[in-house]
Amino acid sequence: DAKTTQPNSMESNEEEPVHLPCNHSTISGTDYIHWYRQLPSQGPEYVIHGLTSNVNNRMASLAIAEDRKSSTLILHRATLRDAAVYYCILYHMEYGNKLVFGAGTILRVKS
Amino acid sequence: EPEVTQTPSHQVTQMGQEVILRCVPISNHLYFYWYRQILGQKVEFLVSFYNNEISEKSEIFDDQFSVERPDGSNFTLKIRSTKLEDSAMYFCASSAARREHEQYFGPGTRLTVT
Repeated sequence: DAKTTQPNSMESNEEEPVHLPCNHSTISGTDYIHWYRQLPSQGPEYVIHGLTSNVNNRMASLAIAEDRKSSTLILHRATLRDAAVYYCILYHMEYGNKLVFGAGTILRVKS
Repeated sequence: EPEVTQTPSHQVTQMGQEVILRCVPISNHLYFYWYRQILGQKVEFLVSFYNNEISEKSEIFDDQFSVERPDGSNFTLKIRSTKLEDSAMYFCASSAARREHEQYFGPGTRLTVT
């Protein structure tokens, strides 16, 4: 399985933007970059995914480097409800249908 | 918004007993999954299920585990003879027949084996 590297933890102030980085230097051309998050005592939650181009949805934006070896999840205005563990996961059907979760980044949001 | 539901939210059982964890995936989804998360550890894949058969399983998913889709809506995980180390949160997930396969997770069942 292709590997991703994320910081163990990050801290943000409420109402400010948050940029969560992910390195995936061994990504292959057909790997999708998925982001999930897990709020305390809840199941993982799909956030966003992309292949090559930057993506926006109602939850977040995903910025993908031109060489695809890294990506950044952007929360435009962090709220206390965004405090969670954020997982960057590479997905391709050749790996089977499973998601392989790492330790993720613990995001703390201060009021 | 459609969501994955799981029952029960908490199950306590004695070692050696059988348990069945239930899930109702999102109605038009075709791929179904079970994951587990031992307290303080990573989320781990157990099994994926498509077209009424297992498409992939992990090393954790041994002969003590089985999955079933008994009707058009439910998806179950059975543990035949529970061990203490089976204590964990069990998450069901489902995805539509799309290439990118984003998965939608349920709230989980906390299984406590005593």
